[in-house]
Amino acid sequence: DADVTQTPRNRITKTGKRIMLECSQTKGHDRMYWYRQDPGLGLRLIYYSFDVKDINKGEISDGYSVSRQAQAKFSLSLESAIPNQTALYFCATSDDGTGINDYTFGSGTRLTVV
Amino acid sequence: SQQGEEDPQALSIQEGENATMNCSYKTSINNLQWYRQNSGRGLVHLILIRSNEREKHSGRLRVTLDTSKKSSSLLITASRAADTASYFCATSRGGATNKLIFGTGTLLAVQP
Repeated sequence: DADVTQTPRNRITKTGKRIMLECSQTKGHDRMYWYRQDPGLGLRLIYYSFDVKDINKGEISDGYSVSRQAQAKFSLSLESAIPNQTALYFCATSDDGTGINDYTFGSGTRLTVV
Repeated sequence: SQQGEEDPQALSIQEGENATMNCSYKTSINNLQWYRQNSGRGLVHLILIRSNEREKHSGRLRVTLDTSKKSSSLLITASRAADTASYFCATSRGGATNKLIFGTGTLLAVQP
């Protein structure tokens, strides 16, 4: 099993629909992240979380919300999807950065909003 | 905003040649990482270099870091067709957040 699992792998949804992307991890990391990738722009940070009580906005959080249900689970929601949210979404986990700096990405969710 | 830019945006070489990709960034960092992405799917971590390191090797990969110029380079020696992918640099300032800021990537095509 993958260390960081994202579901679904692919999703097509209609404008205005609510959609949730899920992420679970077996790394035992406290830190979890959601990134978005658009063609030619690399990855940009949407939200990140240090633990279940700590949620922080990244650089492009508008239109998104997150929930850290447990140490191992971090979900991303689009309350009312719009076409420019069509992108590849990655979940990631990391250690505290002082050791080996273990950063692990999921395989991504390709979301298309029509 | 993106932390860094990568140069070139696209690179096409023949198998057996060396490929060099460059990354520039804007702020001070704790470490810089290089990732590979095949066909727009998952990211694979290649190598991490810390701000107090100047050069690091891993197999056919060689990474350099020049903090005075805020730049890094990734060299892939004796390239193979299987090295065809997009390569991204990402920087971290470490600390409690440990969030990564990515560059825009270099698309490498290795022709057989």
